[in-house]
Amino acid sequence: DTAVSQTPKYLVTQMGNDKSIKCEQNLGHDTMYWYKQDSKKFLKIMFSYNNKELIINETVPNRFSPKSPDKAHLNLHINSLELGDSAVYFCASSQVPGGVTEAFFGQGTRLTVV
Amino acid sequence: SQQGEEDPQALSIQEGENATMNCSYKTSINNLQWYRQNSGRGLVHLILIRSNEREKHSGRLRVTLDTSKKSSSLLITASRAADTASYFCATEGRGGNKLVFGAGTILRVKS
Repeated sequence: DTAVSQTPKYLVTQMGNDKSIKCEQNLGHDTMYWYKQDSKKFLKIMFSYNNKELIINETVPNRFSPKSPDKAHLNLHINSLELGDSAVYFCASSQVPGGVTEAFFGQGTRLTVV
Repeated sequence: SQQGEEDPQALSIQEGENATMNCSYKTSINNLQWYRQNSGRGLVHLILIRSNEREKHSGRLRVTLDTSKKSSSLLITASRAADTASYFCATEGRGGNKLVFGAGTILRVKS
């Protein structure tokens, strides 16, 4: 059973479109994250949710809107896609009993905006 | 500011040799973690070392942490071709709730 699964794995779309990436974890973790990995492999946190509540929003444009319907799911919706949004987006989860423990990552979604 | 600057950026060794990667960070931390990323895949957790620990072992992995120098090293002994991957350090700051990743070291193990 996949611990953290995200779909789709690949996403190619035109500038200006709106797209969503879905993420689900079956680990029973309280906290979920979205990370963006750029072409230089640098990983930057975008959002963090704890029990469906947004706890971290790292200066991400308003075009990015995370949604957590329950603590096992954290989806990412992106409006008006731009060329610079092209990257690999990773969902992750961890159990946070007073601090971050190991994080489990999904396989990533490679977004290409053309 | 970015935590977890790694060095070297890339490392190429022969199978059987040891590989050492270093990580430096800027602020106080709760813990430091190392992750591996195979090409086109997600990150996999390798080892976590807490701020009050100095060394930790897991199989062929040895991690050290020097909080006075704000640095850590990951040693992979007797490397294998399957160890070829990118390795990232990540720090959890005192504020908690998130991991901040370094730029990573690309390790290539030649057979």
